[in-house]
Amino acid sequence: NAGVMQNPRHLVRRRGQEARLRCSPMKGHSHVYWYRQLPEEGLKFMVYLQKENIIDESGMPKERFSAEFPKEGPSILRIQQVVRGDSAAYFCASSPRSANEKLFFGSGTQLSVL
Amino acid sequence: KQEVTQIPAALSVPEGENLVLNCSFTDSAIYNLQWFRQDPGKGLTSLLLIQSSQREQTSGRLNASLDKSSGRSTLYIAASQPGDSATYLCAPQGGSEKLVFGKGTKLTVNP
Repeated sequence: NAGVMQNPRHLVRRRGQEARLRCSPMKGHSHVYWYRQLPEEGLKFMVYLQKENIIDESGMPKERFSAEFPKEGPSILRIQQVVRGDSAAYFCASSPRSANEKLFFGSGTQLSVL
Repeated sequence: KQEVTQIPAALSVPEGENLVLNCSFTDSAIYNLQWFRQDPGKGLTSLLLIQSSQREQTSGRLNASLDKSSGRSTLYIAASQPGDSATYLCAPQGGSEKLVFGKGTKLTVNP
């Protein structure tokens, strides 16, 4: 049973480009969470999704950021028109159900904006 | 709004020492609290999950306690080893189902 898979591991974009980060949850997990870790800061919640539904996006910036978790395929975190301040490590986590379950994290995607 | 504080921010100990990491949180209305370790450049590994109704959980050399009413949790590591060197994060989970993380304690165990 493979763990949570994130790709790419490293992503370099120039200002104004789009970044697409992918997350495949563990087999049998239907709940996906995205977190962002800025340099020297703790992990901050961004969005919580179930298949085809966004449950809580209270931590996601209102503009340029979007997330989806389609019926088939990985969860995608999309950042349009990236700026230098978007440079961070983005982590995805999954759980089989919802509250009161251990979360399993991927290795993250390190986004660098030039 | 939940706020999580971890003390100390960094800790350096000789191999074999027993140590305690502290975590405090402001909102006691939580489902559970999880402790994670993060190795440099890598994701998080879940170590222990304590339900709100529990007082402690043990796994090998690790023991985590939870005092929900006072908003505190501790992670006890017995007989520390160099391989324990990592950043340790605590994260309570509340009704909104999202984890709120502290900034972590960076532990270095010297051989």
